[in-house]
Amino acid sequence: AQKVTQAQTEISVVEKEDVTLDCVYETRDTTYYLFWYKQPPSGELVFLIRRNSFDEQNEISGRYSWNFQKSTSSFNFTITASQVVDSAVYFCALSETTPLVFGKGTRLSVIA
Amino acid sequence: DAGVTQSPTHLIKTRGQQVTLRCSPKSGHDTVSWYQQALGQGPQFIFQYYEEEERQRGNFPDRFSGHQFPNYSSELNVNALLLGDSALYLCASSLVSLAGDPYNEQFFGPGTRLTVL
Repeated sequence: AQKVTQAQTEISVVEKEDVTLDCVYETRDTTYYLFWYKQPPSGELVFLIRRNSFDEQNEISGRYSWNFQKSTSSFNFTITASQVVDSAVYFCALSETTPLVFGKGTRLSVIA
Repeated sequence: DAGVTQSPTHLIKTRGQQVTLRCSPKSGHDTVSWYQQALGQGPQFIFQYYEEEERQRGNFPDRFSGHQFPNYSSELNVNALLLGDSALYLCASSLVSLAGDPYNEQFFGPGTRLTVL
């Protein structure tokens, strides 16, 4: 069975602080993809990253970075020097086949 | 380049009624997936349409049905509405490549917020 756990329900940080959002997944498949999406108050899910199960290299995109560790089944997301515009709900998702399995999300509030 | 569009934005219905939600995929995309997102939860997969047929289905009752048209747009129909059907309904489009890559990125629309009273 596929499962994604985001243990942090809500996180609040002060602007310019770094923040890490945790994601732990369960799958029996050896081939799968992991995703992070951002959902601002408007409701639309915004794609941030896709990582396949064979690529454990960490990735950095501007202030965003992702740490994928198969040994611990984790795919954590770090925002460096957070900004108010980063305030949103962030979802981690797993795909063994096309349908995405989402975690319950982490609500991030960045306070000015 | 138009993204995924959904209509209507908001909808209020009463228990027992039927509702139809609409989705137009991103230009060039041929596959549409529907997700239900209850308040405070992550989206849950309802079903996916490709080549006008339902390809995969999540754990949702038969009250939830869909359709895909030749222009790739799609409808989600829900019959005999229950209070628990109140949610944000998200449509996502993707492109099934010639290689049949099942992991293509899905682009999401803004959703339709359905309230059942």
